[in-house]
Amino acid sequence: DADVTQTPRNRITKTGKRIMLECSQTKGHDRMYWYRQDPGLGLRLIYYSFDVKDINKGEISDGYSVSRQAQAKFSLSLESAIPNQTALYFCATTESGGSETQYFGPGTRLLVL
Amino acid sequence: SQKIEQNSEALNIQEGKTATLTCNYTNYSPAYLQWYRQDPGRGPVFLLLIRENEKEKRKERLKVTFDTTLKQSLFHITASQPADSATYLCALESGGNNRKLIWGLGTSLAVNP
Repeated sequence: DADVTQTPRNRITKTGKRIMLECSQTKGHDRMYWYRQDPGLGLRLIYYSFDVKDINKGEISDGYSVSRQAQAKFSLSLESAIPNQTALYFCATTESGGSETQYFGPGTRLLVL
Repeated sequence: SQKIEQNSEALNIQEGKTATLTCNYTNYSPAYLQWYRQDPGRGPVFLLLIRENEKEKRKERLKVTFDTTLKQSLFHITASQPADSATYLCALESGGNNRKLIWGLGTSLAVNP
């Protein structure tokens, strides 16, 4: 079984809709991250969490919110989706106190119409 | 601000040759640097980490160098194979208390049979 899973893998939604992307991990890591990836822009950090009570904004957090429900679960929400949020979204985890080697999920491809 | 540059042009080489990819950075001194492989539509996968006090690191057919004076890392794949075709990402730790990775845009490598 995969160590980091994301659901859904693909999603099409309409402008203005609320959508949640979910991430679960079995690696026992404390730190979790949400990125989006766009052609020509690379990986950009949306939010990150170092433990259940710690949530931090990344470089592009506007229009997004997150919830760390448990050590193993980190969800990303788009409260009112807009077309420029169409992207490939990745969840990643890393072990605290380590070298920041990140373990990525398979990604969620989101299309906002 | 911190900046990472990787060759934006795709690299095409013949099977069996050595592929060399470059990662340059400016405006800071990372404690370590990482290389990841990404296949289309999939999450990045960690390959190698090299620390600031290490000149070179090897893993099977992979070799990474880290020159903190030139602010450059080189990533080599020897005896390249078509299966090595992918995008390769360079990532540097951002420093400070909230350690995060800063990502390059990646270089696409195509190994032709």
